[in-house]
Amino acid sequence: EIVMTQSPATLSVSPGERATLSCRASQSVSTNLAWYQQKPGQAPRLLIYGASTRATGIPARFSGSVSGTEFTLTISSLQSEDFAVYYCQQYDNWPLTFGGGTKVEIK
Amino acid sequence: EVQLLESGGGLVQPGGSLRLSCAATRFTFSSYGMSWVRQAPGRGLEWVSAISFTGDSTYYADSVKGRFTISRDSSKNTLYLQMNSLRAEDTAIYYCAKKSVIGSIFGYYFDYWGQGTLVTVSS
Repeated sequence: EIVMTQSPATLSVSPGERATLSCRASQSVSTNLAWYQQKPGQAPRLLIYGASTRATGIPARFSGSVSGTEFTLTISSLQSEDFAVYYCQQYDNWPLTFGGGTKVEIK
Repeated sequence: EVQLLESGGGLVQPGGSLRLSCAATRFTFSSYGMSWVRQAPGRGLEWVSAISFTGDSTYYADSVKGRFTISRDSSKNTLYLQMNSLRAEDTAIYYCAKKSVIGSIFGYYFDYWGQGTLVTVSS
């Protein structure tokens, strides 16, 4: 099983600032990596797939990148609606696995 | 817009069974793989099971293998999860999720999710 490790667990950021979230895979998953956003009481929402492709309707302030087995989600200028929990998910191998999540909170 | 509506959750005793359903509308259900993902209270997301668009291929997390069975009925546009031998650690919200990529056996990431149904396993 591929283990996905997200860091930090909690990120405190001021509105308008940049947020950088990390996700590391225990082995290569190529670019078969998705990012989701989840707000309290809501289902997850797809943000990024293929490590760097924004899903339909996702604002350009969200971007994804990869270096080897290290994936990064960057939110260039945090808006109030971006405070949420973010999960990465690999879909390169079965079983599918999610990271433990990063909570982005207001500083 | 795509809609996924889960049902069938509830309170069940350890060792009991439940069958979850997910009614899918506003997309060609028979063309997409589907999956179940769960979330224990206050915890992260855990993938549970997936099924191909044809229904020929099924996949399971080790934690549920041999106890849960995923299936689909394209004539009813409905996804199912039969859960047997339930344990306290199966307590979670269960989400139905639609695979983003049409057809294919690859690319199981999810562009639409239902609102979930809560399963509580307790005596």
